[in-house]
Amino acid sequence: EAQVTQNPRYLITVTGKKLTVTCSQNMNHEYMSWYRQDPGLGLRQIYYSMNVEVTDKGDVPEGYKVSRKEKRNFPLILESPSPNQTSLYFCASRSLDRSSYNSPLHFGNGTRLTVT
Amino acid sequence: AQTVTQSQPEMSVQEAETVTLSCTYDTSESDYYLFWYKQPPSRQMILVIRQEAYKQQNATENRFSVNFQKAAKSFSLKISDSQLGDAAMYFCAFTQGGSEKLVFGKGTKLTVNP
Repeated sequence: EAQVTQNPRYLITVTGKKLTVTCSQNMNHEYMSWYRQDPGLGLRQIYYSMNVEVTDKGDVPEGYKVSRKEKRNFPLILESPSPNQTSLYFCASRSLDRSSYNSPLHFGNGTRLTVT
Repeated sequence: AQTVTQSQPEMSVQEAETVTLSCTYDTSESDYYLFWYKQPPSRQMILVIRQEAYKQQNATENRFSVNFQKAAKSFSLKISDSQLGDAAMYFCAFTQGGSEKLVFGKGTKLTVNP
């Protein structure tokens, strides 16, 4: 089954304790992205990647890191989480193949992060 | 910068009735794509419908249809014969042709009353 898998679904941590949210897709998609969703703000892009070893900042990258060492994986790293990073996080992917021009995003099921 | 505006934070509809969710966007480009995503309480993001800007015909997917007014930069979603399972947050989204970036509105929470 084609899917984007995020783990964990829920995570409670304390300020300053490094954490990683994993994201993996099995559709051979070139493009992967991280969003955070906050009430009243919709979804905002954190980072995205067009292919292996190619990453770029989205609208709200501060406090986050990403890496794209393999095509299927795109982990989100919070080196020193703070309470303002408490949010719902989504990983998404899509193909950049010309035959699927502007294909829609496939989303993971989300990770609810709470930083105390 | 492109922006997407959903002016209705919340809407409600009676089961079996029709409801329209509003979305406007701002762009100077002519090549772009618009989407409506549904987010039920399960938190999944589900693509409802998609519209290419170069197509004049409004997209339709079963009970879901859009009213795409390109000159007015409006992209409303109409849900006919509303069902309890339609209750969700609905997000309008925009992407410029060839761009990697998808810009979302802030969402409209739809309640369906039995």
